[in-house]
Amino acid sequence: QLQLQESGPGLVKPSETLSLTCSVSGASISDANYHWGYIRQPPGKGLEWVGNIYYTGSMFYNPSLKRRVTISVDTSKNQFSVELSSVTAADTAVYYCARQVLTGHYPDEFDYWGQGILVTVSS
Amino acid sequence: QPVLTQSPSASASLGASVRFTCTLNSEHSTYAIAWHQQQSQRGPRFLMKVNSDGSHNKGDGIPDRFSGSSSGAERYLAISSLQSEDEGEYYCQTWDSGVQVFGGGTRLTVL
Repeated sequence: QLQLQESGPGLVKPSETLSLTCSVSGASISDANYHWGYIRQPPGKGLEWVGNIYYTGSMFYNPSLKRRVTISVDTSKNQFSVELSSVTAADTAVYYCARQVLTGHYPDEFDYWGQGILVTVSS
Repeated sequence: QPVLTQSPSASASLGASVRFTCTLNSEHSTYAIAWHQQQSQRGPRFLMKVNSDGSHNKGDGIPDRFSGSSSGAERYLAISSLQSEDEGEYYCQTWDSGVQVFGGGTRLTVL
């Protein structure tokens, strides 16, 4: 049974860097058929894609966040991580990690999601 | 990049059926989409991928009450025999050259 579990601080100060890790169990993050991504959801709002990564390190980012986002992968730990720099209150959201199917050259649908972690940006 | 349009809300009675629509912009009218369900205070769950020809591939454990179809630029999710646990938000998602896009979501109320 595939499981994804987000972890990291629930409170980050403005202008600092948000860092989260997603631990994957029940599947290998090195599986060539999948990408691994982050999606966020501000309180009371819809879903916003943050970015995703392949086990080789190839990555895609949301253009609106690209200047501030870095996603990395650690195949030895079966984990992948996201860092979002210079955060403001607008970055307050539930952050989800998810697996993404790769059927061609680019990732397609998210087919498994983590339960999410609320990150609040506040001093 | 693609644009997905969803109605903000829908309602239907217990035991009845409901259909959600996700509309692609004209430039991306042949794209596949995915449907995700989000129950209150929970993470999303993948329901199915719907292709432009109407074929669909469901996620693990998704009941037969859930089905998908297509017509032109519209992608549909239908739920029959509505149950109380079907209440929640339904999002569509599509993709283009690595970029992911979500619709605004439709909130379903089961009466």
